[in-house]
Parts: sequence; C-alpha cells; structure tokens
Amino acid sequence: GDSVTQMEGPVTLSEEAFLTINCTYTATGYPSLFWYVQYPGEGLQLLLKATKADDKGSNKGFEATYRKETTSFHLEKGSVQVSDSAVYFCALSHNAGNMLTFGGGTRLMVKP
Amino acid sequence: GAVVSQHPSWVICKSGTSVKIECRSLDFQATTMFWYRQFPKQSLMLMATSNEGSKATYEQGVEKDKFLINHASLTLSTLTVTSAHPEDSSFYICSAADTDRTDTQYFGPGTRLTVL
Repeated sequence: GDSVTQMEGPVTLSEEAFLTINCTYTATGYPSLFWYVQYPGEGLQLLLKATKADDKGSNKGFEATYRKETTSFHLEKGSVQVSDSAVYFCALSHNAGNMLTFGGGTRLMVKP
Repeated sequence: GAVVSQHPSWVICKSGTSVKIECRSLDFQATTMFWYRQFPKQSLMLMATSNEGSKATYEQGVEKDKFLINHASLTLSTLTVTSAHPEDSSFYICSAADTDRTDTQYFGPGTRLTVL
C-alpha cells in the first residue's frame, strides 16, 4: 500500500536559517503530493502541492519539487521565521475522492 | 479559498453522553468528506470516509456503532461519538474533497473533545 516517510523531529532552527524537511513516498502510479501545516491548537492547512513529476509547489516562501526518480517531495525554505513554528505533514493522494496518506509529521521550532 | 468549518471547536462532556460534531464546506460542494482523529503529538489517523447520500466507509479498528457518521448533503457531514468515555478524548478533524477540484482536500480547524 501507499506510505509516506518524513524525517523525525523536532527540528530546531534559529531565525533566518535554511530549512529542509525530507519526505519520501511509496505509491503506485502517479499520486499528487502535498505539504500541510498545523499550527498549535489548530487544524491542518494546505501549504503547497504538486500533481505531477517535476512540478514545484510553492507558497509563503516554502517550496517542494515532485521528484519521481527519487520518490521524494522535500520541503525547503530559505529563511525561516519564528511564525513558521508548527508541525508539517507530507501527504499523498491519488485524487481528492480517495484518502490522504500522511507522514508522521515533523515539528519545527524556530528560535529568535 | 475553500473553507471548511467545524462545530463545536471544543467540547467537554460527561462520560456516557453523546457528542455531535459538524463539518461544513462553506463555499464548495463536497461529495466526499473524511474524519480523522489525532492524538497529542501524533499524526492523523483516518477514521472513516463519508460519501454524500451513502453509508460511510470505516477504517479497520474503528467502531461504526460508536462513531456514527452522516453525510446528508453536499456541504455537511456529522460525526456523533456515542456514549463517550475518557479514552475517546482526542482532536477530531474533518476534511472535504472539492467536487470540482479533484486533487485537493481542505481541512476543518478541528474539534477538541474532552470526556470527563
């Protein structure tokens, strides 16, 4: 079956540091890939997505590129802020009518 | 953007009572909605898939008689936790699939249930 693996956290960075959160997946066919962010006490918000190989999703300074050859969708940001502190979930889906398969989540803590 | 609301956002109840949680898609139609459960510092666990006008599909290990799901319209799904017990205390999150956009689910803000 499908699976998503994320690097374990917590990831602790200083403000303005470079961020990478690794995500790899196992799936049949060509799933869509997503990054969701969960701020403390809140539900999940879609951060970015990519629907086919080599697509780059981007939003709020975050980027992730759909790499079919390495089955990866690593999340990056060039300069993190304290307000980016949250839990980040990588996920895949074959279409919106099917369930999302989530990674375990990675907690990011950014210190001033 | 697409908005999904949940109500209530926080509920405390006594053991043995039933609690209903509503999930609404505010500006789009959702043929399919999903219910998740999240324990502290853990990932989301899919409980069931709710399709408008039909019975929900429950994941293995989820008691369908305890977690009643109704999806009576294209914008509303409800989850009722029947005879709640302290072990049911958790963060319940719904998501809705936009019928017109086939690759994105939108999540509600979650409902925190505490059973005393």
